[in-house]
Amino acid sequence: EVQLVQSGAEVKKPGESLKISCKGSGYRFTSYWIGWVRQMPGKGLEWMGIIYPGDPDTRYSPSFQGQVTISADNSISTAYLQWSSLKASDTAMYYCARLQGNYMDVWGKGTTVTVSS
Amino acid sequence: QSALTQPASVSGSPGQSITISCTGTSSDVGTYNLVSWYQQHPGKAPKLMIYEGSQRPSGVSNRFSGSKSGNTASLTISGLQADDEADYYCCSYTSSSTFHYVFGTGTKVTVL
Repeated sequence: EVQLVQSGAEVKKPGESLKISCKGSGYRFTSYWIGWVRQMPGKGLEWMGIIYPGDPDTRYSPSFQGQVTISADNSISTAYLQWSSLKASDTAMYYCARLQGNYMDVWGKGTTVTVSS
Repeated sequence: QSALTQPASVSGSPGQSITISCTGTSSDVGTYNLVSWYQQHPGKAPKLMIYEGSQRPSGVSNRFSGSKSGNTASLTISGLQADDEADYYCCSYTSSSTFHYVFGTGTKVTVL
C-alpha cells in the first residue's frame, strides 16, 4: 500500500526552528515528486513547493520562496519541510502529497504546527 | 500567482445534482487539460476525486464527473448524498508562473 506518514503535531515559540517530515512507503520514493501544501485555520489549500527526491530538484511557490526549505533523505524515503525562524502566522496544518504526473494521488494525514508565545 | 476562482458555497438536496465551477485563464485551465479535484471532509486530508479534467481514480464513485469549457472547469456531483458534504478544491497546471501549480479558492458543499 502506498502511504505517506507525516510527523506529529508541533507546538513552538516564535523565532524557534522546526523540521517536519513525510515518510513514503510502498513505492519507489525517488521516482515521484513530493509536494507540500499549507492550510491555515479555516482557510483553503496553498501550494508551498515540490521536490523530486531523485535529483533532487526543488521548486517553491513564490509566496514561500525564502520562507521555508524543502529537502529529502532518500536513504530513509523521507521528505522534509523546515523553518529557521517560525512566526505566529506559520500556525497551520501542513500536508505532504505524492504527485502522479500533475495531480496528487496520495496524501499524508497532515502535521499541525502551532506557533505561540 | 492568483488562485483559481470557485464559488464559496453550493448546496443541494439529497438525490439532486450540483456543479462546482473553477475559473482560471488561458495560462492554466483554458490551455491545459490538467485540472484535478479534491474532496476534504472536516479535519481530514484532501482526497483525489478527478484528475486530468475528467478521469476518475479507482474507487471514486461514478457520481463524480469532471468537464471543461473554455477557461472554466467543472465538477458535477450527481445523486447527492449526505457524505458528499465537504469542501472541494480544484487545482490546475499553469504556465503563468515559475511555480506551475495553482489551487482554487475552495467550495463548501452543503447537503440540505
